[in-house]
Amino acid sequence: SQTIHQWPATLVQPVGSPLSLECTVEGTSNPNLYWYRQAAGRGLQLLFYSVGIGQISSEVPQNLSASRPQDRQFILSSKKLLLSDSGFYLCAWSGLAGEEDTQYFGPGTRLTVL
Amino acid sequence: AQKVTQAQTEISVVEKEDVTLDCVYETRDTTYYLFWYKQPPSGELVFLIRRNSFDEQNEISGRYSWNFQKSTSSFNFTITASQVVDSAVYFCAVSSGSARQLTFGSGTQLTVLP
Repeated sequence: SQTIHQWPATLVQPVGSPLSLECTVEGTSNPNLYWYRQAAGRGLQLLFYSVGIGQISSEVPQNLSASRPQDRQFILSSKKLLLSDSGFYLCAWSGLAGEEDTQYFGPGTRLTVL
Repeated sequence: AQKVTQAQTEISVVEKEDVTLDCVYETRDTTYYLFWYKQPPSGELVFLIRRNSFDEQNEISGRYSWNFQKSTSSFNFTITASQVVDSAVYFCAVSSGSARQLTFGSGTQLTVLP
């Protein structure tokens, strides 16, 4: 079976510090991978998605970047965090045979920028 | 562009009542998928159902049922005999694009009171 991991689970960082959030998927190969942010108020915003190693598409211009160094690894980064980067970050994957459109989400990382 | 509207921001019911969560979507695609996800207080998004645009048959799964009406672009979700454990935020979403990106509604907070 497939599982998706995210770490860390929670993070408190000062403004201006760097960020690295990691997401890994087990039990599948060549998944589509996604990063979402959920700010206070519940809305989910797609930040980046990737259909393969080294292939990153950005949905919203911002202070963040993403990379996919390995098939099942997706990293969200920032060189200098802003207060507005606070939120709940969710990673998701899709590509299950017969259900390619269904996205399965990880447990999330709660980021607070002070 | 896709859009999903969940007009009900918050709903509160007493245990054992039936409750319907509304979802209206917009898409220019002729082939698309619709989804419902549940987000309990822990934060992780739990996949509930996927429905493709060619299948308007209603679906029932235990206490959950879904009514898809293409003519009104609606995909409503009904919980029968609600339970306290059903308390969560529920999101409706539509997928599109080559990477099956999801566009989410703003969510409905359901509170089931004992």
